[in-house]
Amino acid sequence: GENVEQHPSTLSVQEGDSAVIKCTYSDSASNYFPWYKQELGKGPQLIIDIRSNVGEKKDQRIAVTLNKTAKHFSLHITETQPEDSAVYFCAASKGGGSYIPTFGRGTSLIVHP
Amino acid sequence: EADIYQTPRYLVIGTGKKITLECSQTMGHDKMYWYQQDPGMELHLIHYSYGVNSTEKGDLSSESTVSRIRTEHFPLTLESARPSHTSQYLCASRPLGPAGVWGEQFFGPGTRLTVL
Repeated sequence: GENVEQHPSTLSVQEGDSAVIKCTYSDSASNYFPWYKQELGKGPQLIIDIRSNVGEKKDQRIAVTLNKTAKHFSLHITETQPEDSAVYFCAASKGGGSYIPTFGRGTSLIVHP
Repeated sequence: EADIYQTPRYLVIGTGKKITLECSQTMGHDKMYWYQQDPGMELHLIHYSYGVNSTEKGDLSSESTVSRIRTEHFPLTLESARPSHTSQYLCASRPLGPAGVWGEQFFGPGTRLTVL
């Protein structure tokens, strides 16, 4: 089955700095890679996703890059703000009917004012 | 904001009690999931459903059971709660179909269960 490794487990940055979270996956058939943000006391919420036919996607301060050859994808947050503090999860899945995503273990991002 | 609801949000209960965690979604999604989230925040899939009358066990062995009698409702039941069941339980849903093949999961806010 699919295996997703996520690093680092904890990331501490100063407000205004950039943050990068990296994930690797094992199944070359995986073709959908979402990123979720989980704030304290809430369920995870999708913040950005990328499909295997795209190498990079941006949405304001957030970007995701995908390297299919190396089987890794990364989340980039620029100009971090204290409200970016949360746990971030990457996931990988195939786009078939049996969509069971495999999640990374999560990264706790702390943005210091 | 996703229309997926979980009740109760917090539950403290004694060992041996039977409990049911409720999950409902108003989006008409076919696929629903239950995850157990450990203190380290890792998500473990314990049950999922493709639609009405469909239930499957996930990767993490669980003593809980689920049912899917209606599309919008996916309750999780523990017949006899134990301290080892203490955890955060998250419900999620996803639409089936061309859009759903690529689609995101929508998560509920979670139920924090403590078994004494």
